[in-house]
Amino acid sequence: DQQVKQNSPSLSVQEGRISILNCDYTNSMFDYFLWYKKYPAEGPTFLISISSIKDKNEDGRFTVFLNKSAKHLSLHIVPSQPGDSAVYFCAAVYSGSARQLTFGSGTQLTVLP
Amino acid sequence: DTGVSQDPRHKITKRGQNVTFRCDPISEHNRLYWYRQTLGQGPEFLTYFQNEAQLEKSRLLSDRFSAERPKGSFSTLEIQRTEQGDSAMYLCASSLGGLTNLISYNEQFFGPGTRLTVL
Repeated sequence: DQQVKQNSPSLSVQEGRISILNCDYTNSMFDYFLWYKKYPAEGPTFLISISSIKDKNEDGRFTVFLNKSAKHLSLHIVPSQPGDSAVYFCAAVYSGSARQLTFGSGTQLTVLP
Repeated sequence: DTGVSQDPRHKITKRGQNVTFRCDPISEHNRLYWYRQTLGQGPEFLTYFQNEAQLEKSRLLSDRFSAERPKGSFSTLEIQRTEQGDSAMYLCASSLGGLTNLISYNEQFFGPGTRLTVL
C-alpha cells in the first residue's frame, strides 16, 4: 500500500514560469512532510519541509503548501530555472516512530530554457 | 567533505555471493538509516540505528540482510546469498536526534548511494 503518492511521473515547465508538484498521503499519523530533490548519480538532497501544524512554508523560490483535510501537499517553484530540473520526492514522517521517511515515487521536473 | 559518504559507489556481483556496503554518517549525527531504491520508485526504509542500537527494521529486510553500527559511528549493510531482486540503489542517511535551532530533527542527509547489480 502506497501511503505517499505522487501521481505525476513527469512535468515540463518553461523557464521563468511556476512549477507545481503535487503529493497525496493516506496515513493521518504523518505529522511532518519534506521535499527532496535528486540528481542522477547523487543521493536525495533536502529542499524544504513543513510541520502539520502549519499550512505554508516558504524558502526563497520554494513554497510548500499543506492541506491536512485533503491529505495533500504541493511544492511551488517560482520562477523555475533550468537547474531545477531533477526528480522531486515528497516524503512524510510520523514523529512517534523511528522517524523514517516514507517517500512517494517521485516526479521528474524538466525546466525548458 | 563533511557529508554522508558511502562505499563502494557501484558493486556488481553474481547471484549467491555476499556483499557488504559501508556508510559513514555526518560525524555528530546519532541517527543512521538505510533505504533501498529501485527504478521508478522512491527510497524505501530498511532499518534505523540510534547510536549503536538497531531500533527498527522494515519487513523488507529479510534474514539475508544484516546491518551493524559498531561504536555508533559508521555502519555496514551486508546481503548474504544475493538474488537478482536485490539489485537496487542502497542509500544511507543520517540525522541529529532532538531539536536544535538550526536543523529540524526530521531532516535526514543522504549519501550518494551504492548501486548494486546482481547478475
